[in-house]
Amino acid sequence: DQQVKQNSPSLSVQEGRISILNCDYTNSMFDYFLWYKKYPAEGPTFLISISSIKDKNEDGRFTVFLNKSAKHLSLHIVPSQPGDSAVYFCAASARQGGSEKLVFGKGTKLTVNP
Amino acid sequence: DVKVTQSSRYLVKRTGEKVFLECVQDMDHENMFWYRQDPGLGLRLIYFSYDVKMKEKGDIPEGYSVSREKKERFSLILESASTNQTSMYLCASYRRRAFGTEAFFGQGTRLTVV
Repeated sequence: DQQVKQNSPSLSVQEGRISILNCDYTNSMFDYFLWYKKYPAEGPTFLISISSIKDKNEDGRFTVFLNKSAKHLSLHIVPSQPGDSAVYFCAASARQGGSEKLVFGKGTKLTVNP
Repeated sequence: DVKVTQSSRYLVKRTGEKVFLECVQDMDHENMFWYRQDPGLGLRLIYFSYDVKMKEKGDIPEGYSVSREKKERFSLILESASTNQTSMYLCASYRRRAFGTEAFFGQGTRLTVV
């Protein structure tokens, strides 16, 4: 059973426009959410995160929104740049008995066209 | 900055060979993980370790084993490599933050089994 879902395998946007990547989760115990960016032949790198006590976190061109009632989060990139073209993974974690592991979605491949 | 280093970027092995993938982290993290990434399947957890000599199975442990003799080193072992183990392998080290856990990834090992 997939606890973290990224329903769009790919997304294509024009340079300068907004990119919106979506992520849904099913486990109500998740209390921390992260986005990772991955270029081909490289490991994922941390992009931005949000705690369940917040509904928005912003870092430069990147903003993550969390809607707990809908169990949905989204990553907004404004303005999009060609260098943003990569696979984006959504991840979630829950503190359970002192141990944690991240659960990842399957990823969304973003292509930003010049 | 946290550094997670995987011993090889690219490996080609023959079916039936025993394969060792090494991972070293330099930040004294307790938690280390091995994932594999395949197109359309995202990041799947193979094994993880919360402490030296401690290991737990992830979602797809079949055909793999691990070793954690020292805190900084976590090895993934393919006992008898098969072609369906051709994949990108990613090692991660986790850091606890105030609100949750953050994963730091190595650069990945692209393994091809022929």
